Amino acid sequence: AQTVTQSQPEMSVQEAETVTLSCTYDTSESDYYLFWYKQPPSRQMILVIRQEAYKQQNATENRFSVNFQKAAKSFSLKISDSQLGDAAMYFCAYRSPRNSGNTPLVFGKGTRLSVIA
Amino acid sequence: DAEITQSPRHKITETGRQVTLACHQTWNHNNMFWYRQDLGHGLRLIHYSYGVQDTNKGEVSDGYSVSRSNTEDLPLTLESAASSQTSVYFCASSAFRTANEKLFFGSGTQLSVL
Repeated sequence: AQTVTQSQPEMSVQEAETVTLSCTYDTSESDYYLFWYKQPPSRQMILVIRQEAYKQQNATENRFSVNFQKAAKSFSLKISDSQLGDAAMYFCAYRSPRNSGNTPLVFGKGTRLSVIA
Repeated sequence: DAEITQSPRHKITETGRQVTLACHQTWNHNNMFWYRQDLGHGLRLIHYSYGVQDTNKGEVSDGYSVSRSNTEDLPLTLESAASSQTSVYFCASSAFRTANEKLFFGSGTQLSVL
């Protein structure tokens, strides 16, 4: 079974600075999908960014980008120009491509990010 | 607008009672999921369904059951609530027409078992 590891339970960053959240995963599959979700104090789950393993180019969404290292099975999230609204719990997630992608997401334990004004 | 709703938002119950958490989505998604969120454990999959009359066990299914009689609803039942089932429960749905499609989440139910 696939596993997702987020080794940083908590992180903090100064406003306007850059922070990187780490995520590693274990899989024997060659094709899969990776996601970062954000959960602010409201408990809402918000998709931040997603990456297909077959794409070598790292995904970017405005201030959010990933560093996808397939050989190392690493999928880190970089947040640039951090804002107070970025304070949240961040979850890394993996989906297998089996059954045409119709499989549940496997989540990491999360990283709680604090932004210091 | 289409949405996914969970009820109740908060629930307090006693050990041994049967509890049902509701999940209703108007996206017409075939795929629905129940996760529980606990500090230090992230989100763990309880049960999921790929369509009417289909249900599957997840990683932490013991003590929980689901049934899918229509596309819109996937209620989660705790047969005999235990203190270890105190958690935040999230329902989610997706069409999964493509593998990178996102999951739509409800706002969660905070369940306390005393």
